[in-house]
Amino acid sequence: DADVTQTPRNRITKTGKRIMLECSQTKGHDRMYWYRQDPGLGLRLIYYSFDVKDINKGEISDGYSVSRQAQAKFSLSLESAIPNQTALYFCATSDYSIQYFGPGTRLTVT
Amino acid sequence: GENVEQHPSTLSVQEGDSAVIKCTYSDSASNYFPWYKQELGKRPQLIIDIRSNVGEKKDQRIAVTLNKTAKHFSLHITETQPEDSAVYFCAASINDYKLSFGAGTTVTVRA
Repeated sequence: DADVTQTPRNRITKTGKRIMLECSQTKGHDRMYWYRQDPGLGLRLIYYSFDVKDINKGEISDGYSVSRQAQAKFSLSLESAIPNQTALYFCATSDYSIQYFGPGTRLTVT
Repeated sequence: GENVEQHPSTLSVQEGDSAVIKCTYSDSASNYFPWYKQELGKRPQLIIDIRSNVGEKKDQRIAVTLNKTAKHFSLHITETQPEDSAVYFCAASINDYKLSFGAGTTVTVRA
């Protein structure tokens, strides 16, 4: 499903570094989301956006920020990475209820 | 906010048998309940969903039931096959877009 892409796919970074994860979609959807997945915790919503001017916090937004550069692009930033932000990060899009996920970015903070 | 609990966390079934995963939710205003399947190393994908005005929905070998009074919903997989091995996530939402996911159930189908 190449309609939703994420870069990078894997990243190892050090504590205190700033890192950006990028998401692009060609589905033409207005809604975009960022989740993190941790073993035993499922998928937790970090931020979501309805359009470039409408960005909302999810349940675990502390330590993260986002930018909606265009309808098709939604970036997640970790301003100062810490080890407990080590996780698998997914971007998703939707036009209504069904969410389409990207392939994920595996982030390791050492 | 919404809290979704999912059980069991792991489930091993013999090929051909049925599998049942149960979820409970806390917010009685929730009205949309999707199920996502994540195969190993892959992205989650929607397999079935149900809305609060429906008690049951089927799609071939999978079905979902909803009990609004008890605030729980379940996924039923019949005649399990090896390709059903995956992690399954339930979710609940009051508005279609802000999903609260359960912790996931790892299903293993034994040949």
